[in-house]
Amino acid sequence: RKEVEQDPGPFNVPEGATVAFNCTYSNSASQSFFWYRQDCRKEPKLLMSVYSSGNEDGRFTAQLNRASQYISLLIRDSKLSDSATYLCVVNSGLTSGTYKYIFGTGTRLKVLA
Amino acid sequence: EAQVTQNPRYLITVTGKKLTVTCSQNMNHEYMSWYRQDPGLGLRQIYYSMNVEVTDKGDVPEGYKVSRKEKRNFPLILESPSPNQTSLYFCASSLSQGSEIYEQYFGPGTRLTVT
Repeated sequence: RKEVEQDPGPFNVPEGATVAFNCTYSNSASQSFFWYRQDCRKEPKLLMSVYSSGNEDGRFTAQLNRASQYISLLIRDSKLSDSATYLCVVNSGLTSGTYKYIFGTGTRLKVLA
Repeated sequence: EAQVTQNPRYLITVTGKKLTVTCSQNMNHEYMSWYRQDPGLGLRQIYYSMNVEVTDKGDVPEGYKVSRKEKRNFPLILESPSPNQTSLYFCASSLSQGSEIYEQYFGPGTRLTVT
């Protein structure tokens, strides 16, 4: 089983749609969680950090469910410019004795006009 | 401007010819890391460094070396490159405080081809 798993997609949605991505992680000691966005062949860029209480930034909402070991990303009112690959990232921090970041393979989103 | 820089951006080399990819950050971050990205495999961590003179292996360290002599620089060394090291490489840095690691900032990437 992969440490961080995402549905690769692609998710093809019309403009204005709401789309949700899930990501599951296997290490219960994981401490930090992030969503990154990556455009084709470019560097990943931070979209949101994910907090236990959940957080929202404009059209984007991230949730963390520690009991079920998954994080989610909700995008409302999709724009053409949201087309990208969304990467789920988990870090275990000091409690696991390692500071490795583990990336999911990404979920591809295409927003269609 | 806060940034992570990598050089070179593109490199074509031959098997066995030693090479170094440089990485530098101007944000005074403690944590720095190297990744490779391959189709279908996502980003995989090669090495990371918690601070000067402190480095540790990631998930795919074989065939790579790193050093952290200064806080801002974290070069990636391929002593004897092989074709299976053809990949897109990213350097990243992040702030760390105590046991907390914060979000990473990535360099623009280095596309390496080994023939």
